[in-house]
Amino acid sequence: QVQLVQSGAEVKQPGSSMKVSCKASGGYFSSYGINWLRQAPGQGPEWMGGIIPIHVTANYAQKFQGRLTITSDESTSTVYMELSSLRSEDTAVYYCARLGLPRDYFYYMDVWGQGTTVIVSS
Amino acid sequence: DIVMTQSPDSLAVSLGERATINCRSTQSILHNNNNKNYLAWYQQKPGQPPKLLIYWASTRESGVPDRFSGSGSGTDFTLTISSLQSEDVAVYYCQQYYSTPCNFGQGTKLEIK
Repeated sequence: QVQLVQSGAEVKQPGSSMKVSCKASGGYFSSYGINWLRQAPGQGPEWMGGIIPIHVTANYAQKFQGRLTITSDESTSTVYMELSSLRSEDTAVYYCARLGLPRDYFYYMDVWGQGTTVIVSS
Repeated sequence: DIVMTQSPDSLAVSLGERATINCRSTQSILHNNNNKNYLAWYQQKPGQPPKLLIYWASTRESGVPDRFSGSGSGTDFTLTISSLQSEDVAVYYCQQYYSTPCNFGQGTKLEIK
């Protein structure tokens, strides 16, 4: 049974960066993509980008290009999401989610992390 | 980008009655190569991540009760709960994964009447 466990809540200053981790356990890691999404209060989920660890190169939503970096560490089965130049609008719950089939991005998300609350405030 | 629009925004249904949620995409999400609709439905309860209910528009995820069903093709899709239970109170989202960004609908809040 695959599980995704995310790092803990953070409070950040505007203009700073955040880095959230997502550690996978209980399943095969490298071939399955991991997406990052965020959900602002009262809103639906918003896809930010994703990575398939064996492909190394990440795929980003245009909205976050230049500000978002997604990386993976196969030795620890962990995917990282780093967002820079934070502003108050980045306050949200951030989720990682595994794609349901391997080796491509165009699949549903069948396993989700528990979410990481990030508050951006001075 | 493909935009997903759900209707209604909120819905109140009596216990044991049928609940129907609609989802429309701005372009077809039926893939010609495999004849599959790239549409998923998720259920989200307060303080929890979304939970996958349905994928490929009509395939029920393992462990999901059979009162949940999905239908539709092309641009118009429906999630049906055949007999509403109290534990089904939640927000429901459709999501297309035909292309990136893989957008979600705005959500439908389902309550007990």
